[in-house]
Amino acid sequence: IAGITQAPTSQILAAGRRMTLRCTQDMRHNAMYWYRQDLGLGLRLIHYSNTAGTTGKGEVPDGYSVSRANTDDFPLTLASAVPSQTSVYFCASSASGGSTSTDTQYFGPGTRLTVL
Amino acid sequence: AQSVAQPEDQVNVAEGNPLTVKCTYSVSGNPYLFWYVQYPNRGLQFLLKYITGDNLVKGSYGFEAEFNKSQTSFHLKKPSALVSDSALYFCAVRVRSTSGTYKYIFGTGTRLKVLA
Repeated sequence: IAGITQAPTSQILAAGRRMTLRCTQDMRHNAMYWYRQDLGLGLRLIHYSNTAGTTGKGEVPDGYSVSRANTDDFPLTLASAVPSQTSVYFCASSASGGSTSTDTQYFGPGTRLTVL
Repeated sequence: AQSVAQPEDQVNVAEGNPLTVKCTYSVSGNPYLFWYVQYPNRGLQFLLKYITGDNLVKGSYGFEAEFNKSQTSFHLKKPSALVSDSALYFCAVRVRSTSGTYKYIFGTGTRLKVLA
């Protein structure tokens, strides 16, 4: 069982370039999330999806977009990367994301992105 | 504003001694509280959670946490620390956003260093 996989593991990107971070889960979880982790700031939610076909904005959504065409995949796209988007990005999922959810989030291994 | 605070950036403890990693929260309503651990170059791993019931929650690897409603705290504890417990620990709380959906707010993390 793979759980959550993320690709690439790391990437160095020139400013202004477009980049898509991939996230796939095989647990049939309804809810998925994207976080960025920065020193001294902990994890901050970028976007989330409570179920396939729906997405929502988190705490720091500017400069990022997501899509949720199916249950398993939740790609994060940087349309035009900027240096402030240098960070470690984590994808997570939980069985459900609705109002009654008490579910634990499960995290992928992360993508380390450097924007020059 | 709803928030989670981890007041200590780093906690040092000798192997075999008890450890405590502190977490306090400020949320409306009844909180759902979580602890996660992150080892170097890895994603976050679930340790334990409090939803309701007994204030003392037991989790993975011998860790436990005590929910204290009057002090709005959820400190992580372990009776006898191991060098292998050295890692970054995150406290998180599930909150309801203004849009009516639920999201998780993470603390900034506490680095635990267990000295041999």
